[in-house]
Amino acid sequence: DTAVSQTPKYLVTQMGNDKSIKCEQNLGHDTMYWYKQDSKKFLKIMFSYNNKELIINETVPNRFSPKSPDKAHLNLHINSLELGDSAVYFCASSNRQGNYGYTFGSGTRLTVV
Amino acid sequence: QKEVEQDPGPLSVPEGAIVSLNCTYSNSAFQYFMWYRQYSRKGPELLMYTYSSGNKEDGRFTAQVDKSSKYISLFIRDSQPSDSATYLCAMSASGTYKYIFGTGTRLKVLA
Repeated sequence: DTAVSQTPKYLVTQMGNDKSIKCEQNLGHDTMYWYKQDSKKFLKIMFSYNNKELIINETVPNRFSPKSPDKAHLNLHINSLELGDSAVYFCASSNRQGNYGYTFGSGTRLTVV
Repeated sequence: QKEVEQDPGPLSVPEGAIVSLNCTYSNSAFQYFMWYRQYSRKGPELLMYTYSSGNKEDGRFTAQVDKSSKYISLFIRDSQPSDSATYLCAMSASGTYKYIFGTGTRLKVLA
């Protein structure tokens, strides 16, 4: 029944490791996003895909690589994790331009130690 | 200067009060405006969306956009303790696919 689901919910890992976060939506939306929320609650867009095509790629280190196998799935792989990558990562989906709002997942809390 | 400014709060009000939450912005191209509510350790959930200027009402919530002043507001009538959350504004220019979020205002409604 969940509209946008992310796994895992929590991720604790050591510096230098590689990790992945998965996202799936069952709303029939054609656009998906990754947002990063820092400790001050600031939500910043990282990437957006429309029908498997990358349409937004903000200034994000290339250690972060998104992948969209189909329009219902958007994954995020992070290489060589750093302490500063600790944050909550939210997946979201919407219609093409998001004019009717985004539906967010419940977030993945990443802690790098 | 950030593109979207929002007072972080916390804003504490008694139950039943009218709450006013505000955002200012600098980009005159913004045309789509949204308000999200985020409970602790949860994802943001959409409350209201509006296009261009004007008011929109949904139950106890009213969203206002004043493009001439680059100012948007969310009013909550008859506030309840369950309204205690962080409220985020977000806005976008046409065709950009990208919403810029404010930093959120933490609201506490005291029973």
